[in-house]
Amino acid sequence: EIVLTQSPGTLSLSPGDTATLSCRASQSVSSSDLAWYQQKPGQAPRLLIYGASSRATGIPDRFSGSGSGTDFTLTISRLEPEDFAVYYCQQYGSSLFTFGGGTKVEIK
Amino acid sequence: QVQLQESGPGLVKPSETLSLTCTVSGGSVSSASYYWSWIRQPPGKGLEWIGYIYYSGSTNYNPSLKSRVTISVDTSKNQFSLRLSSVTAADTAVYYCVRMYYYHSSGYYYHHHDFWGQGTLVTVSS
Repeated sequence: EIVLTQSPGTLSLSPGDTATLSCRASQSVSSSDLAWYQQKPGQAPRLLIYGASSRATGIPDRFSGSGSGTDFTLTISRLEPEDFAVYYCQQYGSSLFTFGGGTKVEIK
Repeated sequence: QVQLQESGPGLVKPSETLSLTCTVSGGSVSSASYYWSWIRQPPGKGLEWIGYIYYSGSTNYNPSLKSRVTISVDTSKNQFSLRLSSVTAADTAVYYCVRMYYYHSSGYYYHHHDFWGQGTLVTVSS
């Protein structure tokens, strides 16, 4: 099973800042099977990025994904108030989905 | 736009079987491009994939839960279901039914969860 480790656990930033979230895999992950989700309190997760770098429908271009192999990054530029949430990375490998533990982006 | 809605008991006794159904609207569970997943989230914790099913009935389960999980599909009702046996307090969670988009492009396979139900809290307690 591929373990995904997200860091930092919590990111304290101000609106307008740039958030850089890391997702590190215990072994190489196919970029096509790396996705990022946003979850707000009391809501279901929402797909942000798939294929490591492709934005899902309706996702603003301030969200961007990058990386390959074992290191992936979600960057949120110009943080808006609605971006403060928990973010999860997810991979599919060996017919098994696994999720990272999440990064909380909170208002400083 | 596709919508998914979970339904089932919100309280299950220890050692009994948790049963949930997901009704899909605005789309078909028989669509060739999609699988249908169950994912859960214990209160205050992260996400855990339980398993998925294809409209043909083909399934794949998380090895950590495989011995207790059954996912089935009813194409006539446009629904799929989850059964989790021998539950304990550790199975208390919000359970989500989710559409998984699968496709092949330029030599690569893509798998990701694009539409989620709102989730339903299932508490295991006597």
